[in-house]
Amino acid sequence: QKEVEQDPGPLSVPEGAIVSLNCTYSNSAFQYFMWYRQYSRKGPELLMYTYSSGNKEDGRFTAQVDKSSKYISLFIRDSQPSDSATYLCAMRGGSGTYKYIFGTGTRLKVLA
Amino acid sequence: EAGVVQSPRYKIIEKKQPVAFWCNPISGHNTLYWYLQNLGQGPELLIRYENEEAVDDSQLPKDRFSAERLKGVDSTLKIQPAELGDSAVYLCASSSRTARSEQYFGPGTRLTVT
Repeated sequence: QKEVEQDPGPLSVPEGAIVSLNCTYSNSAFQYFMWYRQYSRKGPELLMYTYSSGNKEDGRFTAQVDKSSKYISLFIRDSQPSDSATYLCAMRGGSGTYKYIFGTGTRLKVLA
Repeated sequence: EAGVVQSPRYKIIEKKQPVAFWCNPISGHNTLYWYLQNLGQGPELLIRYENEEAVDDSQLPKDRFSAERLKGVDSTLKIQPAELGDSAVYLCASSSRTARSEQYFGPGTRLTVT
């Protein structure tokens, strides 16, 4: 079993839909949780990160962490065709632990 | 502010040949990472530097891979000799000591070994 599991998709949604992307993990030591967006033939771009449990909002993006369930989510509101990309979750342990474990990524297609 | 710079962007070599990748991190970022990304997979850490010191190279195949960051700024990753299975994207990333969760990636070098 991988430490971080992520559905590879593809996930196709109509423009304007709310998108929900998810990752599950097995290592209870993970404390920091990141979401990256990766366009084809580009490097990953950090969207947002959260520490421990809770929600964080940034514009159309909301990240949620449920440590009790070992489950994290990224919600995209009012999705746009420009949001079409692969979304990677990543996580690491607490202070002093700087090895990031990435999910495989979910490919998202927002249809105009 | 310039982002992480990598070169070359693409490289095609024959197996058993050597290859080198170069990375220049964001100015002031003391932590530098090299990752390998296979198609349809997430990045996997090869090596992490804190300044010029390699602090985590446990995933680096040391029989054929080597890396250096001599002055604690730019870095080179080398493969010698390359194998068919090394075909992948090699990503460099950097972060600062005060914002370790903000990791910034370069565009990557796409290596094809024939």
